[in-house]
Parts: sequence; structure tokens; C-alpha cells
Amino acid sequence: EPEVTQTPSHQVTQMGQEVILRCVPISNHLYFYWYRQILGQKVEFLVSFYNNEISEKSEIFDDQFSVERPDGSNFTLKIRSTKLEDSAMYFCASSGQEWTEAFFGQGTRLTVV
Amino acid sequence: QKEVEQNSGPLSVPEGAIASLNCTYSDRGSQSFFWYRQYSGKSPELIMSIYSNGDKEDGRFTAQLNKASQYVSLLIRDSQPSDSATYLCAVNTGGSQGNLIFGKGTKLSVKP
Repeated sequence: EPEVTQTPSHQVTQMGQEVILRCVPISNHLYFYWYRQILGQKVEFLVSFYNNEISEKSEIFDDQFSVERPDGSNFTLKIRSTKLEDSAMYFCASSGQEWTEAFFGQGTRLTVV
Repeated sequence: QKEVEQNSGPLSVPEGAIASLNCTYSDRGSQSFFWYRQYSGKSPELIMSIYSNGDKEDGRFTAQLNKASQYVSLLIRDSQPSDSATYLCAVNTGGSQGNLIFGKGTKLSVKP
């Protein structure tokens, strides 16, 4: 069964460092998303991406965040200068059509120390 | 502010019983509604989607939608211990791609 895959599963980084989280969406999907979940809190939308550009972003997705689809399969989230409060699970998701089911990857646990 | 509300639980049911999970949402313009299951430390797993008023059944799961009341529910029949998880209600935001707003989730515990 097709699935969204994310790497790494766990990343520890020092405050102020840059991190890149990677995702391979389901192959025939065209709509991509990043969500995050701080421990014990709800899943929050960060950004959506379609046709090589950002469709929508939340207030959380400030200038330290960026997304890219560097090739035909990967979708990345970059955090330029990490802060302690960026520690969370980051989930990539993809869907085949807008407004329909989104399938989530297994997540990357980011720990900023 | 668009909101999705769920009773956080925990909801405890005996094995074999029906578990009933509820969700309300604030945005009347929402069109797509989803239930995800999340085991501790894992990612959300899609279990049901519903787009129109009424019931939708898939195996032991039934999703119910009432747009007039802005209410979505999930029934799990013949509950099993393996159903013990947090159930997340998610509603599209009405944004350009239908980005999701999640509730905080209801923790379900199925006792053998």
C-alpha cells in the first residue's frame, strides 16, 4: 500500500542550527502538507503546497520556515534557526485531490537542545 | 477563529461494546470531515472520511455528519482492546487546498 515516508525519524539539534526534514509523498499525489504536534497538544497545520508553490500557510509558518520540492519525489521542510519551542513531531501529509483525504507520514521527532 | 471541539476523555468502554465519539466544529463553510486514529507516539492514521449529511459505514466504523448542527460523530462497534487510542476529528479549513483543523482528540480505552 502506498505510504508517505519521512526521514529522519528523530533529529536532535542545537538551538540556532538549521534542520531539514524530508518527506516522500505518495507518488501520484499532488497536494502536500506539513503539520506539527507539540507533545500533549493537538496537531497544527503549518503549510500546504501545490504546483511548486505554497498554497497557504499558518501563523506558525514564519520566516524561519521554508518548504521546497527539489525533485519529483521529495518534499522538504527547512527550519533556519531552530528554537527550543520548535521541539515537536513534524508530520508530512499528501492527498490526491484538494479537500479529500490526507495521508500522514510516520513523523520526525525534532528535539532542540 | 475556526475551532474543532472534542471531549478529551478518557472514554472507557468494555470489549465488545459500542464506543461513541463526538466532535463539533465552528466553521459552517466546512465541507470535508475526517476521523483519524493516533496511537501514542505515532502519526495520525485515517480511518473515516465523510462529506455529506447522514451516515457512512465502513466495517465496524460508522461516521455521522449533521451540518445543520455542525456535529460529526464516530461509532465503533464491537470495540476491541486494539482500538484503544486517541481519536482525532479533523475538518477542512476552507482554505485553498482544504487544510485540516484538528480537535485535541478523545482518548479511548477498551477494557478486556
